[in-house]
Amino acid sequence: AQSVTQLDSQVPVFEEAPVELRCNYSSSVSVYLFWYVQYPNQGLQLLLKYLSGSTLVKGINGFEAEFNKSQTSFHLRKPSVHISDTAEYFCAVGSGGSNYKLTFGKGTLLTVNP
Amino acid sequence: KAGVTQTPRYLIKTRGQQVTLSCSPISGHRSVSWYQQTPGQGLQFLFEYFSETQRNKGNFPGRFSGRQFSNSRSEMNVSTLELGDSALYLCASSLQVGRETQYFGPGTRLLVL
Repeated sequence: AQSVTQLDSQVPVFEEAPVELRCNYSSSVSVYLFWYVQYPNQGLQLLLKYLSGSTLVKGINGFEAEFNKSQTSFHLRKPSVHISDTAEYFCAVGSGGSNYKLTFGKGTLLTVNP
Repeated sequence: KAGVTQTPRYLIKTRGQQVTLSCSPISGHRSVSWYQQTPGQGLQFLFEYFSETQRNKGNFPGRFSGRQFSNSRSEMNVSTLELGDSALYLCASSLQVGRETQYFGPGTRLLVL
């Protein structure tokens, strides 16, 4: 069985500051990793994904994440945040072979303050 | 290309009633997955359909069911509603099953009174 832990439920930062949202996962098989963002009263939007290849993945809106297999982590980073980045961020792992499914973390609420 | 659409967007029901939610996937996508999102439990996988067949199922009671039609549109049904069924129900579509990226709809917010 797979699981995802997002270590921080809330992360407050000031505008233009860097931010890192942490995600650790556990799985006994190969995984695919995703970060999604959810704005209020909306569905989830894909930020970026790791399927294979380069461990540094760049996504939309200036976000990037690094896959670290030895530490089973997939932390999300942005060098300079904007007010509009205020949202909930979800890390997800996909695995399971023929019973493939996405397992989500509990989410991290990023609040960007002026 | 139009995104995933879900209807209705909001719904209020009373305990004991049943409800049917609808999801239209992105054109060409054949897999549809359903998730329940609540503040306490977060996002939980309900089930996945591909080519009108349920491929995978989460740990939910039999009151939760679904189906997929030949045009890939999907419905989920919840019978004998309980207060705890109040949640945002999200549908996601992908081209195939497996490692394909899932694209989410805006969700249906269900309130059970």
